[in-house]
Amino acid sequence: DADVTQTPRNRITKTGKRIMLECSQTKGHDRMYWYRQDPGLGLRLIYYSFDVKDINKGEISDGYSVSRQAQAKFSLSLESAIPNQTALYFCATSDSLDRRGYTFGSGTRLTVV
Amino acid sequence: DAKTTQPTSMDCAEGRAANLPCNHSTISGNEYVYWYRQIHSQGPQYIIHGLKNNETNEMASLIITEDRKSSTLILPHATLRDTAVYYCIVRPYTGTASKLTFGTGTRLQVTL
Repeated sequence: DADVTQTPRNRITKTGKRIMLECSQTKGHDRMYWYRQDPGLGLRLIYYSFDVKDINKGEISDGYSVSRQAQAKFSLSLESAIPNQTALYFCATSDSLDRRGYTFGSGTRLTVV
Repeated sequence: DAKTTQPTSMDCAEGRAANLPCNHSTISGNEYVYWYRQIHSQGPQYIIHGLKNNETNEMASLIITEDRKSSTLILPHATLRDTAVYYCIVRPYTGTASKLTFGTGTRLQVTL
């Protein structure tokens, strides 16, 4: 099993719908992150969490919310999806000392029509 | 985070060393240099990081200049599977400012 699992892998949704992307990890890491990637661009940070009670906005948090249900689970929600949220979404984890860098999931490809 | 500058793309013949440069002239004393790569649309993969000494692991070597204003990632014997986008990132090792911020990276194409 993958260390960082994202579900679903692919999703097509309609404008205005609420959608949740889920991330779970078996690394035992405290820190979790959500990034989005648009074609030809680098990854941009949406939200991050350094522990279960800590949630922080990243550079592009508008239109998104998150929930850290447990140390191992970090969910990203789009309250009312819009077409420009069509992107590849990645979850990542790291330990507090970042000894081996971040571990990324395989991504969720989201299309909003 | 300090800004980094990387070439947009590079080519390398299979079996040869791939040397990927990165400029980070505004790097602070507490910032490390990290390298990640992203193969096609997969999640980025950590490669290596360092502060001021050269580092080597099973994947690559990292050479940091003495003034720390630039660095080079070396893949000693590139293979087709090393074709990817390589990101150079500078950031504090830990603390609340230590989030990864990605630029557009260098697209490395390894050819036969």
